[in-house]
Amino acid sequence: DAGVIQSPRHEVTEMGQEVTLRCKPISGHDYLFWYRQTMMRGLELLIYFNNNVPIDDSGMPEDRFSAKMPNASFSTLKIQPSEPRDSAVYFCASRSPIGSPDTQYFGPGTRLTVL
Amino acid sequence: AQSVTQLDSHVSVSEGTPVLLRCNYSSSYSPSLFWYVQHPNKGLQLLLKYTSAATLVKGINGFEAEFKKSETSFHLTKPSAHMSDAAEYFCVVSETGRRALTFGSGTRLQVQP
Repeated sequence: DAGVIQSPRHEVTEMGQEVTLRCKPISGHDYLFWYRQTMMRGLELLIYFNNNVPIDDSGMPEDRFSAKMPNASFSTLKIQPSEPRDSAVYFCASRSPIGSPDTQYFGPGTRLTVL
Repeated sequence: AQSVTQLDSHVSVSEGTPVLLRCNYSSSYSPSLFWYVQHPNKGLQLLLKYTSAATLVKGINGFEAEFKKSETSFHLTKPSAHMSDAAEYFCVVSETGRRALTFGSGTRLQVQP
């Protein structure tokens, strides 16, 4: 199993530009989570999906952030327009419907730098 | 509401000595508890989990944790530290029936030669 795949691994962009982060969950997993990690706030849940449907987006910081899951094998997190305070590591995680349901498997993260 | 408090932001030990990383939790319901490890510039890896079976949980790389309901604690231990254990460790709680994880603020473990 390839695990959770995220792309790009690193992204450097200028303030005001649109940024799209991508995630491929583990095959067969029915939950997908987006987290953000910063020095100031630690790891925060942004949004999660169940069977491609957004369930809780209360952690999304503001309207500049949006997330989609068009199918079971792909999700995007978009920031438009980006700001320097969005600089962080963004993690995607997925969860299996069987076995140990509470366990989430994390991708390697995307390190975003907004100049 | 659920929350996690990691009592030490930074722990330094010598190689070959025991490791203790402390975690207290607060949860309204029966929680599931986890420890994740993050090596520098890497993703998060599951070390171990407690889900209401045995209170002493063994994980990977020689780590273990004991769930103590009376103390609302889930401390992580290892008998003998190795240089490769240097990383950031997160205590995590998930309430039964909820899907989201709540992360502690992390403990950075340094291992001195």
